[in-house]
Amino acid sequence: DAGVIQSPRHEVTEMGQEVTLRCKPISGHDYLFWYRQTMMRGLELLIYFNNNVPIDDSGMPEDRFSAKMPNASFSTLKIQPSEPRDSAVYFCASSYRTYGGRATEAFFGQGTRLTVV
Amino acid sequence: GQQVMQIPQYQHVQEGEDFTTYCNSSTTLSNIQWYKQRPGGHPVFLIQLVKSGEVKKQKRLTFQFGEAKKNSSLHITATQTTDVGTYFCAGAAAGGGADGLTFGKGTHLIIQP
Repeated sequence: DAGVIQSPRHEVTEMGQEVTLRCKPISGHDYLFWYRQTMMRGLELLIYFNNNVPIDDSGMPEDRFSAKMPNASFSTLKIQPSEPRDSAVYFCASSYRTYGGRATEAFFGQGTRLTVV
Repeated sequence: GQQVMQIPQYQHVQEGEDFTTYCNSSTTLSNIQWYKQRPGGHPVFLIQLVKSGEVKKQKRLTFQFGEAKKNSSLHITATQTTDVGTYFCAGAAAGGGADGLTFGKGTHLIIQP
């Protein structure tokens, strides 16, 4: 498997524009996570899905952020409208359920470096 | 909500010296995971600890999980330049239901040759 695939790797956009980040999880994984990383706040969990269903979106900072998972092999994180403070590296990660029922280690994608000017 | 604190934030060592990072959770954890992120890279899973008091070793790396399952540590013996990076602990809350990991802010390991 190629691992978790994110696109684009880099995105530069102007304030007010819509930004869509994409993620393809590892085949067979039933958990998908979106994280945001900044120097100030570290790695923050934004939202996660289990079997394509959003389970916890309490980390989503504002209504400008939305995430979808229309099927097991694809997820998007959308920011509309974007603001300079959204500049960060956004990681997608996937994992699978163990025999005991808990999600195991997270496999991270390469990340999308977003710059909003 | 659950908080995971990690110290120190930065650690400078001479090559060959030992290194330790500590992780403390505000709540009891079901398990704790450790990740390493190289500069410009993405977090990569190192290990998971599940049992109270558990100790695991990977070559020069030793991981411990506290008896109360609220703290953990990572110790590297005789650091090498390949150990450079940021080490994160990540905890999963006990009690079921929450599968999202809460990450500490990481310890940046800087090695001087």
